[in-house]
Amino acid sequence: SYDLTQPPSVSVSPGQTASITCSGDKLGDKYAFWYQQKPGQSPVLVIYQDSKRPSGIPERFSGSNSGNTATLTISGTQAMDEADYYCQAWDSSTVVFGTGTKVTVL
Amino acid sequence: EVQLVESGGGLVQPGRSLRLSCAAAGFTFDDYAMHWVRQAPGQGLEWVSGITWNSDRIGYADSVKGRFTISRDNAKNSLYLQMNSLRAEDTALYYCAKEDSGSFRDGMDVWGQGTTVTVSS
Repeated sequence: SYDLTQPPSVSVSPGQTASITCSGDKLGDKYAFWYQQKPGQSPVLVIYQDSKRPSGIPERFSGSNSGNTATLTISGTQAMDEADYYCQAWDSSTVVFGTGTKVTVL
Repeated sequence: EVQLVESGGGLVQPGRSLRLSCAAAGFTFDDYAMHWVRQAPGQGLEWVSGITWNSDRIGYADSVKGRFTISRDNAKNSLYLQMNSLRAEDTALYYCAKEDSGSFRDGMDVWGQGTTVTVSS
């Protein structure tokens, strides 16, 4: 089976940049997607097709994907960005989610 | 307003069955693939199953293959998940999610609020 690995946690100071990685075999050959989930809420798609932002997602969210690693970057992190983040990719006809990363804004 | 509303969750004994439903509104349901994603208490997201717009492709996670069956009724704008032989490890919040394409290649841009399934004796 295909696995996507994320760091369990990332801490960032307000206004600084947070980078969340997602590692998988030849992930760069696939599209990566990123979701934000706040406590008690449903996930929200924040990045699709590696680097595109859905309507309504702030510009401070950006993404990249190359080699074995996809990265979600939050520039100028705000307190409201504190959440769990999950990457996702397709492996044949199955969806694979990453292990998830808790972003804490200190 | 684009929305997905799940129903059918509840408390069920191990080995029994349950059928989840997801009612879609605000978009052309039969243009999009649909998925079920679950989240056990305090855990991450786990994809359960997906179905393309015309049901020609269906996928299941290994953990539910042979026990769960996904289906859709485009005339009723509804998605279903028949869950048989339920186990304690199936206990989770089950989300219905819309894929931003008709066939398996894109992300999930609309999510419901979820319905809770608890498997316990």
